[in-house]
Amino acid sequence: DAKTTQPPSMDCAEGRAANLPCNHSTISGNEYVYWYRQIHSQGPQYIIHGLKNNETNEMASLIITEDRKSSTLILPHATLRDTAVYYCIVSSPTGANSKLTFGKGITLSVRP
Amino acid sequence: SAVISQKPSRDICQRGTSLTIQCQVDSQVTMMFWYRQQPGQSLTLIATANQGSEATYESGFVIDKFPISRPNLTFSTLTVSNMSPEDSSIYLCSAGRVGEPETQYFGPGTRLLVL
Repeated sequence: DAKTTQPPSMDCAEGRAANLPCNHSTISGNEYVYWYRQIHSQGPQYIIHGLKNNETNEMASLIITEDRKSSTLILPHATLRDTAVYYCIVSSPTGANSKLTFGKGITLSVRP
Repeated sequence: SAVISQKPSRDICQRGTSLTIQCQVDSQVTMMFWYRQQPGQSLTLIATANQGSEATYESGFVIDKFPISRPNLTFSTLTVSNMSPEDSSIYLCSAGRVGEPETQYFGPGTRLLVL
């Protein structure tokens, strides 16, 4: 079973920030939080990952609570191309070499 | 970023037949994985493709149904054997690239319809 829970869907207006929540209350001390997204008819794409500090890259920001039981993926200026299913995954530090357990994800719809 | 290609991109097959899906990565990778995504569902890991040895299967998946080969570091195949309509899914391979321990790259998927 997936170790994360996410709302099934959300939407936001183009140009606005999209804040995607994720609960991972059973995360263990050495597990990281990874975010992937799957645009329709494509394979999943890595977005960002973190352990306990907030992280930012060219795609998004990741905010992890101090107790590490939840996190939020932030797309600062959502575009129509950001419409996708976003998966929050808890995995080992070497996510590239680890089995990824995908939950149902959250479907983000960006409206014009 | 690593480029992963899969062949075929889609196929329509008759029940009882088998289909072999190829996955090619453009650079050396460490691990390779095969996932299944049933219609409207999330991804489920089928197995880890091990170079030069038998694949490691997840619960509910068996070698007789989904034989996997990985003859070298950049290539793997998944065969869906004795297909039934329930095998209609998207099959995706993924890989971890040498020097990038965090990122798992995914192929575009093979869309299989079994009639």
